[in-house]
Amino acid sequence: GENVEQHPSTLSVQEGDSAVIKCTYSDSASNYFPWYKQELGKGPQLIIDIRSNVGEKKDQRIAVTLNKTAKHFSLHITETQPEDSAVYFCAASATGGGNKLTFGTGTQLKVEL
Amino acid sequence: DSGVTQTPKHLITATGQRVTLRCSPRSGDLSVYWYQQSLDQGLQFLIQYYNGEERAKGNILERFSAQQFPDLHSELNLSSLELGDSALYFCASSVASAPNTGELFFGEGSRLTVL
Repeated sequence: GENVEQHPSTLSVQEGDSAVIKCTYSDSASNYFPWYKQELGKGPQLIIDIRSNVGEKKDQRIAVTLNKTAKHFSLHITETQPEDSAVYFCAASATGGGNKLTFGTGTQLKVEL
Repeated sequence: DSGVTQTPKHLITATGQRVTLRCSPRSGDLSVYWYQQSLDQGLQFLIQYYNGEERAKGNILERFSAQQFPDLHSELNLSSLELGDSALYFCASSVASAPNTGELFFGEGSRLTVL
């Protein structure tokens, strides 16, 4: 089955700096890669996703890049703000891949003032 | 507010007991997913139902079972509870049958503590 590895497990940045979280996946059939943000006491919420026919996608301060050859994808947050502090999860899913969305183990991002 | 409702929010019980967690999906969503979140293992997929039928199975223990009712709400039953079952259990819903076709909307979770 699919295995998603996520690094780093914790990340501390200064407000205004950029943050990068990286994930690798094992199943070459995976074609959908969402990123979820989980704030304290809440459930995960989708912030951006990318499909395998696209190499990069951007939404304001958030961008995701995908390298299918290397089987890794990354989340980039620019101009970080205190409200970006949360746990971020990457995930991967394949069409017909047992219908599962496999999550990484999460990255605790802390944006310091 | 995601529109997904989970009850109870907190539950404390003893080893060997049985509990039922309930999930009401967003209006119009046919798929319900159950995930277990523990401190060291992130979000582990347990099981998915689509329009009343089991659609996919993950790392769900035999002591656990789930079902989706005609009104589309779902229940996750956990029996013969062990200390290691203590975790946050999330329900998520989506419109489509496959998780790679769109967003999953998560509830706020049910925190289970087994003493």
